Amino acid sequence: KQEVTQIPAALSVPEGENLVLNCSFTDSAIYNLQWFRQDPGKGLTSLLLIQSSQREQTSGRLNASLDKSSGRSTLYIAASQPGDSATYLCAVRGAGNTPLVFGKGTRLSVIA
Amino acid sequence: GAVVSQHPSRVICKSGTSVKIECRSLDFQATTMFWYRQFPKKSLMLMATSNEGSKATYEQGVEKDKFLINHASLTLSTLTVTSAHPEDSSFYICSAPGSGHTEAFFGQGTRLTVV
Repeated sequence: KQEVTQIPAALSVPEGENLVLNCSFTDSAIYNLQWFRQDPGKGLTSLLLIQSSQREQTSGRLNASLDKSSGRSTLYIAASQPGDSATYLCAVRGAGNTPLVFGKGTRLSVIA
Repeated sequence: GAVVSQHPSRVICKSGTSVKIECRSLDFQATTMFWYRQFPKKSLMLMATSNEGSKATYEQGVEKDKFLINHASLTLSTLTVTSAHPEDSSFYICSAPGSGHTEAFFGQGTRLTVV
């Protein structure tokens, strides 16, 4: 059974810092991996999608990497801003019409 | 990208009543819809999978008679929480898997509070 772990559970950084969020998964037979942002009491905002054949994806200040064989992904946020404060969720998908399996998330606070 | 519309976004109901949550795929046909639940400060956990025209499959520990799922058309899946209790208060969110290499698409979520 696939399990997704995110480290750290919470992170507080001063504005402007670069930071890395970590995600690991136990079954490397994934179809893709997706990073989401969730604001308190809100739904999910998809940030980046990495296919199993890809190594990384970039969008603005965000860069996500994938090492499928070792079961790891990282989300790099450059020049963090207070508006980046949210919970970041990592989720993996197996082949076919299978549901995403989520990690517990990393709660990020960027202090002005 | 594809859009999944979920309603209501927020509902407060009395204990013992039933609440229906709808998820519609607006510009594509969703043969499958996943229903997740998220308790405070916890991650999203899969509750059940609905498939158009057939019975839903439920994850272990999820009562199928309490959480009724209907997927009568390719664009609409509903989750009805029957005889709601305060412990059912949670965030419920639906998702349709993207085809091929596309991302999964999520509804906006429903915050259910049972008083």
